[in-house]
Amino acid sequence: AQRVTQPEKLLSVFKGAPVELKCNYSYSGSPELFWYVQYSRQRLQLLLRHISRESIKGFTADLNKGETSFHLKKPFAQEEDSAMYYCALASMNTGFQKLVFGTGTRLLVSP
Amino acid sequence: DTGVSQDPRHKITKRGQNVTFRCDPISEHNRLYWYRQTLGQGPEFLTYFQNEAQLEKSRLLSDRFSAERPKGSFSTLEIQRTEQGDSAMYLCASSYGGTEGEHEQFFGPGTRLTVL
Repeated sequence: AQRVTQPEKLLSVFKGAPVELKCNYSYSGSPELFWYVQYSRQRLQLLLRHISRESIKGFTADLNKGETSFHLKKPFAQEEDSAMYYCALASMNTGFQKLVFGTGTRLLVSP
Repeated sequence: DTGVSQDPRHKITKRGQNVTFRCDPISEHNRLYWYRQTLGQGPEFLTYFQNEAQLEKSRLLSDRFSAERPKGSFSTLEIQRTEQGDSAMYLCASSYGGTEGEHEQFFGPGTRLTVL
């Protein structure tokens, strides 16, 4: 079965500190991994996807198939990064993106 | 085009009543998804449309739930004989997908359903 685990419900850091939001997945096929973000009073939006290999707003995530992880990292957190972050996976075999989400991690960046 | 829109944004109903939600996707998007999100959880997939065809339904979608996408444009999600367990945020997302793969899913603001 497909499953995404985000072990931390809340991550609180100070501005300028490094951030790592953990995501582990369980899937037997070839998954595509995503990070979605939801800022206060805004809708859910895509932050990055592993096939793009981009850095968005200073965030990066590397797919580690050996550890089945897709942790989200940023070297220096900013107050505007405070939001809810969801890791998600989709099968690359179904022909469409049926997203399976984790339970989310709330990131709080304090001044 | 201001993105995916959903109507209503909030719905309060009594147990046993029927409710219908509407989703208007981004105009050129051929794919449309419904998800449900309960408190403390991430969104859960409910169903998927490619154009007007409903191609997959989750087992979460009981017989009381029905979704349509007539003419491949807007979509409706109806819940009959609502139960308190149906209380959740219902999210709609749309994307463009073709032979080259699928682009980003854009989410709507959601419809929050409260069943009393």
